[in-house]
Amino acid sequence: QVQLVESGGGVVQPGKSLRLSCAASGFNFSIYGMHWVRQAPGKGLEWVADIWYDGTYRNSADSVKGRFTISRDNSKNTLYLQMNSLRAEDTAVYYCARDSYTWTFPAGALDIWGQGTMVTVSS
Amino acid sequence: QSALTQPASVSGSPGQSITISCTGTSSDVGAYNYVSWYQQHPGKAPKLLIYEASNRPSGVSNRFSGSKSGNTASLTISGLQAGDEADYYCNSYTGSSTRVFGTGTKVTVL
Repeated sequence: QVQLVESGGGVVQPGKSLRLSCAASGFNFSIYGMHWVRQAPGKGLEWVADIWYDGTYRNSADSVKGRFTISRDNSKNTLYLQMNSLRAEDTAVYYCARDSYTWTFPAGALDIWGQGTMVTVSS
Repeated sequence: QSALTQPASVSGSPGQSITISCTGTSSDVGAYNYVSWYQQHPGKAPKLLIYEASNRPSGVSNRFSGSKSGNTASLTISGLQAGDEADYYCNSYTGSSTRVFGTGTKVTVL
């Protein structure tokens, strides 16, 4: 079945780095744009970043720009989020999600979501 | 990019209809039909309810409907049921090629 599975979360000290992965299965990963969305404990959803189906273009929220990098490996059906210079305010559940549009810029709805992976930034 | 504005909470009795608003600007909600709505139960991942402002994915109950007028999008839940008790979020594509979520609305079934 269509599925996204995140991994790589954990507890990390402020200023350190972490890389999240999102393994896709059950669909043609290489034709869909992808997103990362996060949710701090008890808070709302926050869009983090997206990437085109072929990795050509990527965008990110101002809150993570210059620190987080989204990337993908279509040969491995995997999406990544490299998080550097982590701060306490980055503590959240991180979800990967599929964009509903194919072969174009990721302006569609987020139609498939993973179960999320928790990242805790604390000394 | 500021979050889209939603009411913090909305409540209704079983069988009633409720509407959740999502107010943005002429750079996001007002500029595009790329508005979507999500339902999130506690401890669960969000679920897509509405895409392109008013379209329902297959498998989503027709009790959920969406609309948009100017800078405001709306989600209506008709025939309210206990299982509809959840958090609801709107999302819009923006003029800077980014995305923005709404502040979220907690729906309570009385």
